Amino acid sequence: GAVVSQHPSWVICKSGTSVKIECRSLDFQATTMFWYRQFPKQSLMLMATSNEGSKATYEQGVEKDKFLINHASLTLSTLTVTSAHPEDSSFYICSCPGQGDQPQHFGDGTRLSIL
Amino acid sequence: AQSVTQLGSHVSVSEGALVLLRCNYSSSVPPYLFWYVQYPNQGLQLLLKYTTGATLVKGINGFEAEFKKSETSFHLTKPSAHMSDAAEYFCAVSKRNRDDKIIFGKGTRLHILP
Repeated sequence: GAVVSQHPSWVICKSGTSVKIECRSLDFQATTMFWYRQFPKQSLMLMATSNEGSKATYEQGVEKDKFLINHASLTLSTLTVTSAHPEDSSFYICSCPGQGDQPQHFGDGTRLSIL
Repeated sequence: AQSVTQLGSHVSVSEGALVLLRCNYSSSVPPYLFWYVQYPNQGLQLLLKYTTGATLVKGINGFEAEFKKSETSFHLTKPSAHMSDAAEYFCAVSKRNRDDKIIFGKGTRLHILP
């Protein structure tokens, strides 16, 4: 069964709206979570690393004021796309580190469409 | 810095033929290596991973990959392609630390010809 729950799976909203995406680790705690973005027919690009109880670490070129990340608990990280515009339309995926030598667990992704 | 290079953004093979998807990595330290598959409008599914031990790794759906340190390669193979294998395949690398980020290659779209 799924070990990472991502919600919502699909969002359509008007330009200028802020959208919040949730990523939850199920049955385990995650001090670190990762947020990726995938444009159509492209690869996954890491946006930021979410750290429980501290500020997120953003990759170069990612606007931290545009993509707000909050990791307020050991099982929940949220990504808020503020004042979204059509160019923010993309597939957003979160992941959590695995246990032992297990690789990261990925959420099912959120498809964001801004009209 | 770590990176992966996937040779060929599109690969076409006939049904029943050998599948070979190429991946070369760059890493200053021994890495963890992964292959993921993504079907249209879906999330990622892990096919297989190399962490330690045997360099020939078997994964799901009949896929396997071999870690070759001397060639810095981690090519993905399957002896006989099925129509259901048509998808996007991503090679990925991370440091040998489960808390570290994963870096993805650009992906290879596999087309299966009837």
